Amino acid sequence: DAKTTQPTSMDCAEGRAANLPCNHSTISGNEYVYWYRQIHSQGPQYIIHGLKNNETNEMASLIITEDRKSSTLILPHATLRDTAVYYCIVRVDHTDKLIFGTGTRLQVFP
Amino acid sequence: DTGVSQDPRHKITKRGQNVTFRCDPISEHNRLYWYRQTLGQGPEFLTYFQNEAQLEKSRLLSDRFSAERPKGSFSTLEIQRTEQGDSAMYLCASSSLDGSYGYTFGSGTRLTVV
Repeated sequence: DAKTTQPTSMDCAEGRAANLPCNHSTISGNEYVYWYRQIHSQGPQYIIHGLKNNETNEMASLIITEDRKSSTLILPHATLRDTAVYYCIVRVDHTDKLIFGTGTRLQVFP
Repeated sequence: DTGVSQDPRHKITKRGQNVTFRCDPISEHNRLYWYRQTLGQGPEFLTYFQNEAQLEKSRLLSDRFSAERPKGSFSTLEIQRTEQGDSAMYLCASSSLDGSYGYTFGSGTRLTVV
């Protein structure tokens, strides 16, 4: 699997948009970008995934650059409950196992 | 169905003892995964099943570890002769065969070896 690079930690004010970057410069054409998050003492939670196009669901938006070498997860109105570790993962297809890195620790403050 | 269930939530055991964890996946999910997570690290893949077949095992899974999914439903992960280095959170996840909506994880079993 392609390796991803994420900042170790980020802060965001409550109510503001949280933009979490991820670099995946060696991504292959058939690899998807997945985002998960892990709130303290819980298992990881699926957020969103994409291949080439930008994606949006009820939780977040995923912006993938045209060259697919990086992406940004956007939480449009961060709340205190969004404080978590966010993992960016690339995988060959939906059936490939997930390989987690160390993620970005997002702290949302009042 | 309320998601992936893991039992117990916490386990404290003495070094050298055997422990067994159970995972009940989402009923219609064919695939079941085990991960291990230590403090400050992301989850590490251990093994996965498709129905009752164990299709892949990580080299992290030493011969003291064994996992089963006998009827393609629940799974157990056993650790024999536990060591202090086995202390971690053990996470189970399940997914549909096509995996198109990602994995659903359980809340994990936290193992402490004293």
